[in-house]
Amino acid sequence: QVQLVESGGGVVQPGRSLRLSCAASGFTFSSYAMHWVRQAPGKGLEWVAVISYDGSNKHYADSVRGRFTISTDNSKNTLYLQMNSLGTEDTAVYYCAREPGGAIDYWGQGTLVTVSS
Amino acid sequence: QTVVTQEPSLTVSPGGTVTLTCASSTGAVTSGYYPNWFQQKPGQAPRALIYSISNKHSWTPARFSGSLLGGKAALTLSGVQPEDEADYYCLLYYGGAHPWVFGGGTKLTVL
Repeated sequence: QVQLVESGGGVVQPGRSLRLSCAASGFTFSSYAMHWVRQAPGKGLEWVAVISYDGSNKHYADSVRGRFTISTDNSKNTLYLQMNSLGTEDTAVYYCAREPGGAIDYWGQGTLVTVSS
Repeated sequence: QTVVTQEPSLTVSPGGTVTLTCASSTGAVTSGYYPNWFQQKPGQAPRALIYSISNKHSWTPARFSGSLLGGKAALTLSGVQPEDEADYYCLLYYGGAHPWVFGGGTKLTVL
């Protein structure tokens, strides 16, 4: 069965960096586009970034462009989100999700990132 | 800045029917926006319900249906159950450098 398991969240000071991981299993990871979506406490969902199945195309929300980098390691079936220059506005639960073309279907359980001094 | 608008909240009686909508600030929503709908209950990850306007995932209950209605994407729940009380989010595809945008979500109360 399809599983997505995020890790790497935690408490980090403003201005510091953090890398999130999303371990995928139960499907051919290299055949799917993958997304990061976040949700600030008590707020709605915010799309963050997407990477194409072959890693050749990456797109970001304006709020994170230039600070966050999405990547994959197909040998490890893992999606990453490198987050630099973190601010308090980046505090959120971060979800990874799978996209089989025009549809986001499976989601991970999320990992909480708290940016605080 | 593209904005996707949903009703902030709706209330429906058990067994009733309710329609949630999803509008784009750029104009009418069409098939090219690949509307997706998600359900999220407190403390849980979102769950996909509908993709590409009206297609259901294998786990989507039959009482959920998607459509285009008056230039908006729509999610209709027929024969609402108490367990349908949740937040519902739509997601539209715009392509280019800002490909995907979520709506603000609709809090559905079953009362």
